[in-house]
Amino acid sequence: EPEVTQTPSHQVTQMGQEVILRCVPISNHLYFYWYRQILGQKVEFLVSFYNNEISEKSEIFDDQFSVERPDGSNFTLKIRSTKLEDSAMYFCASSEGRATAKNTGELFFGEGSRLTVL
Amino acid sequence: GESVGLHLPTLSVQEGDNSIINCAYSNSASDYFIWYKQESGKGPQFIIDIRSNMDKRQGQRVTVLLNKTVKHLSLQIAATQPGDSAVYFCAEIFSGSARQLTFGSGTQLTVLP
Repeated sequence: EPEVTQTPSHQVTQMGQEVILRCVPISNHLYFYWYRQILGQKVEFLVSFYNNEISEKSEIFDDQFSVERPDGSNFTLKIRSTKLEDSAMYFCASSEGRATAKNTGELFFGEGSRLTVL
Repeated sequence: GESVGLHLPTLSVQEGDNSIINCAYSNSASDYFIWYKQESGKGPQFIIDIRSNMDKRQGQRVTVLLNKTVKHLSLQIAATQPGDSAVYFCAEIFSGSARQLTFGSGTQLTVLP
């Protein structure tokens, strides 16, 4: 069964360092997303990406964050200068389409990358 | 056992009993809803979905009920099993938005032997 894969599963970094989280979405999917989950809290939307550009981003996704699809398979989230409050589980997701009257637009999530900022 | 909503984040039930998990959603324009199950250390896993033009949908051992009047969703799990222990999130989608999913706060379901 196709799945979304994420690397690394856990990354520990020093405050102020740059971090890149990588994702390989399901191959025929066209929409890509990053969500994050701070320990014990709900999953929060960060950004959606379609046709090589950001479709929508949340207030969390400030200038320290960027996303890129550098090739035909990877989708990356970069945090330029990490802060303590960036410590969270970051989930990548992909969907074949968007939710419409005919299409459920179901999102498939990866297992997550745990980021710990010291 | 029954959850009274997001203000009660934990629910414990005996194995074999039915579970009811409740969720209040926020956007009256949302037109599609999903229940996700999240096991410890893993990503959210799709359980069941429902469109806003329906009020009930059944899957295997799970039923989702939608009350648009009060913006309320519930997930019923029949004959709860130990493998059902997880955090359950409801999520809403407004198909006019590119962000797709807005998650609720989640309920931790613990199945007791």
